[in-house]
Amino acid sequence: NAGVTQTPKFQVLKTGQSMTLQCAQDMNHNSMYWYRQDPGMGLRLIYYSASEGTTDKGEVPNGYNVSRLNKREFSLRLESAAPSQTSVYFCAAEDAGARNTEAFFGQGTRLTVV
Amino acid sequence: EDKVVQSPLSLVVHEGDTVTLNCSYEVTNFRSLLWYKQEKKAPTFLFMLTSSGIEKKSGRLSSILDKKELFSILNITATQTGDSAVYLCAVERNTGNQFYFGTGTSLTVIP
Repeated sequence: NAGVTQTPKFQVLKTGQSMTLQCAQDMNHNSMYWYRQDPGMGLRLIYYSASEGTTDKGEVPNGYNVSRLNKREFSLRLESAAPSQTSVYFCAAEDAGARNTEAFFGQGTRLTVV
Repeated sequence: EDKVVQSPLSLVVHEGDTVTLNCSYEVTNFRSLLWYKQEKKAPTFLFMLTSSGIEKKSGRLSSILDKKELFSILNITATQTGDSAVYLCAVERNTGNQFYFGTGTSLTVIP
């Protein structure tokens, strides 16, 4: 049972390049999230998707787009990477319809923009 | 504005010490409060708390929630070097499917 899988694990981009971070979950959870984690800032929500076909902005959405391709997959796209987007990115999934559940996290993607 | 505040930001203790980590929150439509441990990679789940005054316990770790005073504590007794990590507190709302995370407490346990 893989849980939440993110790819790639590491990436270095030049300023202005684009890329897509992939996330897939095999837990059949409705809700999926993208966070970024920076030193001293905790986990900040970029975008989330409450269900297939819906996406909403979180706390720090600027410079990102997302796509909830199906129930399993939730991708995060950087159209024109900037050094300020250097961070560790985490995808998470939750069965939000259940009464008491936690978010399950992927292993993270460490992105460096130079 | 919804927020989650953890204290202290960092802590260094010796093996065998007992530590208490704090999490206070101001979040509308509170659903649950969660504690995670983060070592090198992804946060791993520790506890979920939804009711006041009921202690959750797992080995040397325990946690309790006070919904009146809007805070939670995470206790670790007889600390070991393997407890060294960042401990994250998160609050989930009933609406909006959002988790609000604190900045974490970095715990270092030295032999």
